[in-house]
Amino acid sequence: SQQGEEDPQALSIQEGENATMNCSYKTSINNLQWYRQNSGRGLVHLILIRSNEREKHSGRLRVTLDTSKKSSSLLITASRAADTASYFCATDLGAGNKLTFGGGTRVLVKP
Amino acid sequence: DGGITQSPKYLFRKEGQNVTLSCEQNLNHDAMYWYRQDPGQGLRLIYYSQIVNDFQKGDIAEGYSVSREKKESFPLTVTSAQKNPTAFYLCASSPRGQTYEQYFGPGTRLTVT
Repeated sequence: SQQGEEDPQALSIQEGENATMNCSYKTSINNLQWYRQNSGRGLVHLILIRSNEREKHSGRLRVTLDTSKKSSSLLITASRAADTASYFCATDLGAGNKLTFGGGTRVLVKP
Repeated sequence: DGGITQSPKYLFRKEGQNVTLSCEQNLNHDAMYWYRQDPGQGLRLIYYSQIVNDFQKGDIAEGYSVSREKKESFPLTVTSAQKNPTAFYLCASSPRGQTYEQYFGPGTRLTVT
């Protein structure tokens, strides 16, 4: 099974609403990263949060990390139609820059 | 323009043929990676390389081969031994040695019939 598992698998919201997705993982991590993928495209890095950090912000994005629960959340505030994409968490175990990706959350923002 | 290029965007092959996917980067990154993505799924690591002339198997290396003769290039060959090669293939790169984000190419969609 995968190291990271996102929840929910799919999310549909209206423009202007907030979108929250969660990621759970199994083993201790060096850092956790969130990526976005538009349909049929490559991934784009959003945020990296280290194991000793609890929260990070980037524009309309807010990421939290709870290492005691082995979980992270990504919040997109005031969503826009352009936020429609799949969002993946990826865990870095600190061994050779390798990332292990979860299955992703597919977000649809309706105008 | 700095970045990662993958070519071609779409590739069609007959079963039993080997096919090589190209990945080039001009970001001066030491580490490069190949991932496979199936529809509606996450990414699975095929091979990765942290330095020229060295590479390691990822989680699903069977039926694939790579080379790393130049820092800028990390081609992936999908061999006839790969039982289910139809997928979306993504190449990425990152600096080596510390915790860094990965930069992804646009991907190659391979269809084998």
